[in-house]
Amino acid sequence: EIVLTQSPGTLSLSPGIRATLSCRASQSVGNNYLAWYQQKPGQAPRLLIYGASNRATGIPDRFSGSGSGTDFSLTISRLEPEDFAVYYCQQYGSSPITFGQGTRLEIK
Amino acid sequence: QVRLVQSGAEVKKPGASVKVYCRTSGFTFTSYGISWVRQAPAQGLELVGWISGYNGNTNYAQKFQGRVTMTTDTSTSTAYMELRSLKSDDTAVYYCARDGYYIGSGKSMDVWGQGTTVTVSS
Repeated sequence: EIVLTQSPGTLSLSPGIRATLSCRASQSVGNNYLAWYQQKPGQAPRLLIYGASNRATGIPDRFSGSGSGTDFSLTISRLEPEDFAVYYCQQYGSSPITFGQGTRLEIK
Repeated sequence: QVRLVQSGAEVKKPGASVKVYCRTSGFTFTSYGISWVRQAPAQGLELVGWISGYNGNTNYAQKFQGRVTMTTDTSTSTAYMELRSLKSDDTAVYYCARDGYYIGSGKSMDVWGQGTTVTVSS
């Protein structure tokens, strides 16, 4: 099973600042099938990025994903108030599908 | 509009079973699969398993094998998840999500249901 480790656990930043979240896999993610999800309190996760770098439908272009193999990142170019949430990475390149433990992005 | 609507909250005693449904609309059910993911209180996301809307094939996470059964009703575009022999640590929000119709499809979970809270308590 591929273990995903996200860092940092918590990120405290101000609106307007650039945010970079990291996701490291214990082994190479097949076909770079790596997704990022955003979850706000009391809500279901929302798909942001799939295939490591493809924005899902309706996702603002301030969200971007990059990386390959074992190292991936999610960048939010300029934080908006609605971006403060928990972010999860997920690999779906091999069974079982696994999730990272999450990064909490909080307002500084 | 793609929608996944789940059944309401459940309270069960240890040892009981729970069956949650996920009623879908706005897309061709047999062209996708449905994954079930759970989230214990203040915890992260955990895959329970997946079922193909195309042929009913399933793939359960090892942790739940023997205790979970996933089924579909293509006539109503609905997926079901039954979890048996419930324990207190099964207390969680259970989500369904649209996924690929076969393992290795390269499709991520792009639309999610609102979640069903299952509480296991004596």
